[in-house]
Amino acid sequence: DAKTTQPPSMDCAEGRAANLPCNHSTISGNEYVYWYRQIHSQGPQYIIHGLKNNETNEMASLIITEDRKSSTLILPHATLRDTAVYYCIVSGWGPYGQNFVFGPGTRLSVLP
Amino acid sequence: EPEVTQTPSHQVTQMGQEVILRCVPISNHLYFYWYRQILGQKVEFLVSFYNNEISEKSEIFDDQFSVERPDGSNFTLKIRSTKLEDSAMYFCACGTLHGYTFGSGTRLTVV
Repeated sequence: DAKTTQPPSMDCAEGRAANLPCNHSTISGNEYVYWYRQIHSQGPQYIIHGLKNNETNEMASLIITEDRKSSTLILPHATLRDTAVYYCIVSGWGPYGQNFVFGPGTRLSVLP
Repeated sequence: EPEVTQTPSHQVTQMGQEVILRCVPISNHLYFYWYRQILGQKVEFLVSFYNNEISEKSEIFDDQFSVERPDGSNFTLKIRSTKLEDSAMYFCACGTLHGYTFGSGTRLTVV
């Protein structure tokens, strides 16, 4: 089972910031938080990941709480093309790589 | 940006037939995975592959499934005798320390 919980759906107005929350209260010290998104039935697309520090890239920002039990993905200026299912995944590294377990994610609808 | 290429994009097959789904991973990636997504459902892990052998597999990945990397570049998923319930999107992924890159998927339809 997925180690994260996310709201099933959210709406956001175009041009506004989209803040997608994720709870991962059982995260272990060596586990990262990853965010992916899936547009229609395309392959999941990597957005960002972090361990304990906040992270920013050209797509989004990731805010991880100090206790690491929750995080928020921020899309600073959402566009219609950001409408997708967003997955928050917690995963560590084992000797054979990682095993991502996907939950149902949050379906983000960006509205004009 | 490097891509994971999957072929075919769509395959229709009769129940009981064998299918091979193909993936060309990113060249310097070491970890390889197959996932599937039945229409309207979650993305589900099937199998991971490292150093030319299976490192982990899910309950879905039974004796009807196999994977191989025959020539050091292509990574294939074979379903020996397809069932109706194998109809799904199949995604190949490859990974580094920074996460996975997924292919665009193969839509398998079993009729």
